[in-house]
Amino acid sequence: GIQVEQSPPDLILQEGANSTLRCNFSDSVNNLQWFHQNPWGQLINLFYIPSGTKQNGRLSATTVATERYSLLYISSSQTTDSGVYFCAVEQSGTYKYIFGTGTRLKVLA
Amino acid sequence: DTEVTQTPKHLVMGMTNKKSLKCEQHMGHRAMYWYKQKAKKPPELMFVYSYEKLSINESVPSRFSPECPNSSLLNLHLHALQPEDSALYLCASSQEGPRQTQYFGPGTRLLVL
Repeated sequence: GIQVEQSPPDLILQEGANSTLRCNFSDSVNNLQWFHQNPWGQLINLFYIPSGTKQNGRLSATTVATERYSLLYISSSQTTDSGVYFCAVEQSGTYKYIFGTGTRLKVLA
Repeated sequence: DTEVTQTPKHLVMGMTNKKSLKCEQHMGHRAMYWYKQKAKKPPELMFVYSYEKLSINESVPSRFSPECPNSSLLNLHLHALQPEDSALYLCASSQEGPRQTQYFGPGTRLLVL
């Protein structure tokens, strides 16, 4: 099956710093979403981004489907950005979403 | 309204108990999903319902029994669980078909003793 790897696995930032999270996938996909999982377990939609670039405030994402990767940029990080960031891909020809391995982010005040 | 609700928030059960998890959405979505998430791991797909019919079962043990009584409601019936089934159970919904955004509920934290 499709493999979805995220890097880095863990990241510690000082408040105000910028970061880039990466998601690599091993096969063609229909869809890709980025999620933030808060400390209480809630998965919050950040982006629906099967291709191209989107921005939402301090966050932006780029997916290059032909090269099988997606990037999530966080600028001017805040302590509330802490948590785990997952990408999830929908494998072509299925309705199955496969989650990546996750990046655990901690932002220090 | 992009809300998916789940009850209960927390559940502790013994290995001989029968319990049910409930998930509800009122976004008119016709696809609903159950995921299981162990600590420090990504969510793993268990079941997919499309138009109230089970379309995907990811080889889940029969002690987990899903049910979709109507287009807004999804249940997960639990019976004779094992301690290793302790996890966060997440429900999600989306429009039916490929290339749809999934919306997740807050989850039920299950502890099996």
